[in-house]
Amino acid sequence: GAVVSQHPSRVICKSGTSVKIECRSLDFQATTMFWYRQFPKQSLMLMATSNEGSKATYEQGVEKDKFLINHASLTLSTLTVTSAHPEDSSFYICSAQPSGIQETQYFGPGTRLLVL
Amino acid sequence: AQTVTQSQPEMSVQEAETVTLSCTYDTSESDYYLFWYKQPPSRQMILVIRQEAYKQQNATENRFSVNFQKAAKSFSLKISDSQLGDAAMYFCAYRRSQGNLIFGKGTKLSVKP
Repeated sequence: GAVVSQHPSRVICKSGTSVKIECRSLDFQATTMFWYRQFPKQSLMLMATSNEGSKATYEQGVEKDKFLINHASLTLSTLTVTSAHPEDSSFYICSAQPSGIQETQYFGPGTRLLVL
Repeated sequence: AQTVTQSQPEMSVQEAETVTLSCTYDTSESDYYLFWYKQPPSRQMILVIRQEAYKQQNATENRFSVNFQKAAKSFSLKISDSQLGDAAMYFCAYRRSQGNLIFGKGTKLSVKP
């Protein structure tokens, strides 16, 4: 089956530093990837849609200068949390939509970010 | 804007019994997809079942089936012969035309041995 990986799985950083999270589709190409955030005991909320070779589309209320998304290839999207603060601590999950198959997307295992 | 509502924060079922999780949604679109995802403690999202709105037949995947009522905008999940491994958070989701999913708040399912 289709596999999506995320790296790192867990990261602890100091306030003010930047953290990069990678999302890779291992056995398929993904023109579109999605980044979600999940706070404890809450649902997944879409942060942005990442399209290969173009700028990401951010949801209302998500700061694009703080959450930088780069989708440089058909198998890799990265989310960089810049100048992280404790309130950015959350579980970040990506999903990848296989190119040409719009009704399906596969989720990565998530990245737990803790900002001290 | 589309919304997804799960009115049951928690549900409990006896092992081997049947349980139904509720989900309603709101949309003005006529063609769309609905999903149920399972999120165990590992937090990996696992697709349980998918329903295409233009198909009247309810989707079924082994012990999992849905009751899709398009006019009522209802999409419930039935789990038959519940197993201990079914214990998890279950999220109902609506696929927007842009491709991303809108999730309900989830239902935490406990399975009693």
